[in-house]
Amino acid sequence: DGGITQSPKYLFRKEGQNVTLSCEQNLNHDAMYWYRQDPGQGLRLIYYSQIVNDFQKGDIAEGYSVSREKKESFPLTVTSAQKNPTAFYLCASSMVGGAYEQYFGPGTRLTVT
Amino acid sequence: SQQGEEDPQALSIQEGENATMNCSYKTSINNLQWYRQNSGRGLVHLILIRSNEREKHSGRLRVTLDTSKKSSSLLITASRAADTASYFCATPPMDSSYKLIFGSGTRLLVRP
Repeated sequence: DGGITQSPKYLFRKEGQNVTLSCEQNLNHDAMYWYRQDPGQGLRLIYYSQIVNDFQKGDIAEGYSVSREKKESFPLTVTSAQKNPTAFYLCASSMVGGAYEQYFGPGTRLTVT
Repeated sequence: SQQGEEDPQALSIQEGENATMNCSYKTSINNLQWYRQNSGRGLVHLILIRSNEREKHSGRLRVTLDTSKKSSSLLITASRAADTASYFCATPPMDSSYKLIFGSGTRLLVRP
């Protein structure tokens, strides 16, 4: 049963704490992505990775960090430096080298108070 | 950086009617993709149209692409209540065929 999973579905944190969002895929995709979505808005790219041990900043990387130690996993850490971290976070994966669609996980809704 | 912009922002129709959403983009593209998002869920890929294609069909979906006008449209025929969702167009920047830039979406409500 192939797919991309994110956990947890809902996450609550106090301001000033770092929090790590999990993303795992078993689609054998090389590329993985993290997006942020605010209410009624489109997706904004935070970070992306096209190969293990390599990743690039997207449009809104400040206050976030990632790692790509395994092909299947691409965790996102929301640090205390992120000024407005409350949002819906979506992870995706795709093949590389051509025009391929992205496969999305179910998302994690992070609330920071 | 916003590449695609959908129009209208919101659309409300009766079940059985057709729904048309439009997407405009700014720079040259290799392909354009449409995705659907049900409330509080991840996105689901609907259809990909390449820059050398003018029209593509998938079930009740019809997508057109006009590269001279830098625009695309998504038509959903004979809509159903289950089509209620947000619809996004996405385009890859020319320097990256796998990275996508998403528009802000059209929220479609299909009334039973």
